Amino acid sequence: DTAVSQTPKYLVTQMGNDKSIKCEQNLGHDTMYWYKQDSKKFLKIMFSYNNKELIINETVPNRFSPKSPDKAHLNLHINSLELGDSAVYFCASSGDRISGNTIYFGEGSWLTVV
Amino acid sequence: KNQVEQSPQSLIILEGKNCTLQCNYTVSPFSNLRWYKQDTGRGPVSLTIMTFSENTKSNGRYTATLDADTKQSSLHITASQLSDSASYICVVRGTMDSNYQLIWGAGTKLIIKP
Repeated sequence: DTAVSQTPKYLVTQMGNDKSIKCEQNLGHDTMYWYKQDSKKFLKIMFSYNNKELIINETVPNRFSPKSPDKAHLNLHINSLELGDSAVYFCASSGDRISGNTIYFGEGSWLTVV
Repeated sequence: KNQVEQSPQSLIILEGKNCTLQCNYTVSPFSNLRWYKQDTGRGPVSLTIMTFSENTKSNGRYTATLDADTKQSSLHITASQLSDSASYICVVRGTMDSNYQLIWGAGTKLIIKP
C-alpha cells in the first residue's frame, strides 16, 4: 500500500496552461508538504499544511495555490505555467512538524513546461 | 546564512568497497540532522536522524556520525551493493520555533559499479 501517492507522475504541458497535481496520504499524518526539486537537485519546501491550515509559504509565486480538502489530501494547482516551473514536485507528510518526525515522500510528479 | 554543503558531488566506487560521504552545515540553532537516500526517479527515504547529543548511529551497512562542534556529519557505507546507487542528501533542521526550517543539501550522487 502506497503511503504517500501523487498523480500524475509525468505531465507535459504548454506555457500558460493551468494544471493540478493531486496528493493523498494514508498514514494518518497531520502535516503535509509540497517540495520542488529543480535541475540542481536541491529540494525546496513550497508549502506546509497542518490539519488543513497553511503554516509555511516560502515566497512561492501566487500562481501556485495549495488546496487541502482534508488532512489526508493536499493538492497543488498551478496557474499560467511558465518554463521555469519545470521541475519535479514532491508531496510529503509527517506526523508532527514540531517534533521532527520523519518526512515520508511521494514518488514525485515530473512537470515539463514547453 | 543557513547552509548545508555536501561532498563529493558525485562518487563512483566498485561493488563491495566502502565509502564516506561528507556534510558540513552552518545551520544555527541546530536541532537535528538527517540523511536521506533518493533513488533515481523516486522520492527521498530517511536513513537516519542524528540529534545534538548523538555522535554515531548505524542503520545496517550505513553509519552516520555527527560532530556538533565542528558542524560536520558523515555517512559511511560499508560493503557497498549495486542497490546503494542513489543520491544521498543531508538535511539539517533548525531548532523549534513557530516556523522551523529544514535546510537541504544538494546531495552526493553515488554510483556503484559491478
